[in-house]
Amino acid sequence: QSALTQPPSASGSPGQSVTISCTGTSSDVGAYNYVSWYQQHPGKAPKLIIYEVSERPSGVPDRFSGSKSGNTASLTVSGLQAEDEADYHCSSYAGTNNLIFGGGTKLAVL
Amino acid sequence: QVQLQESGPGLVKASETLSLICNVSGYAISSGYWWAWIRQAPGKGLEWIRSIYHSGSTYYNAPFKSRATMSVDTSKNQFSLKLSSVTAADTAVYYCARETYGKVEYWGQGTLVTVSS
Repeated sequence: QSALTQPPSASGSPGQSVTISCTGTSSDVGAYNYVSWYQQHPGKAPKLIIYEVSERPSGVPDRFSGSKSGNTASLTVSGLQAEDEADYHCSSYAGTNNLIFGGGTKLAVL
Repeated sequence: QVQLQESGPGLVKASETLSLICNVSGYAISSGYWWAWIRQAPGKGLEWIRSIYHSGSTYYNAPFKSRATMSVDTSKNQFSLKLSSVTAADTAVYYCARETYGKVEYWGQGTLVTVSS
């Protein structure tokens, strides 16, 4: 299984919205509603912010939202704040015995 | 609160075996869920290695099929990873985690393992 495809970088100004894409195939993203997103600040472990395409764990602000269309999942961060500057990773369950991650997207808040 | 903590050598010689242990607190491994090892090479994305259930059943990422083994010790509430025949390409931060259907809800803080020649 190949890694999911994410843009290497994204940016936005405070208060704006930014969307990060995560493209897979009909065997992973397109096949299951088990797409997750993680936020990772430098030197820290990833933190789950979206699971099952659009569900938010308790404590994650509703500024973070997820969606999926076909083989592409998306993470939208609305009302950008300085602390949102981080790396964002997507993952997808890929059927029998498989978990795939994307290459990660560095989000800059300008 | 579920907490995971990795431990093991930070430096391993090329061609040798990398061994890591993950201690879990706040949740009994024997109660369920899959327990995983995930790594991140410097400046790179995340890469899933292998997962194990408390029964000992495991599933793996194909590139690691023959090199990575996992075991679980429910009496100590810990699980482990052994990665054989390491090369410089195995230099990475290794995370232990709890996952289910690709949702990795709990992560350890990570431990950097450097492979030296």
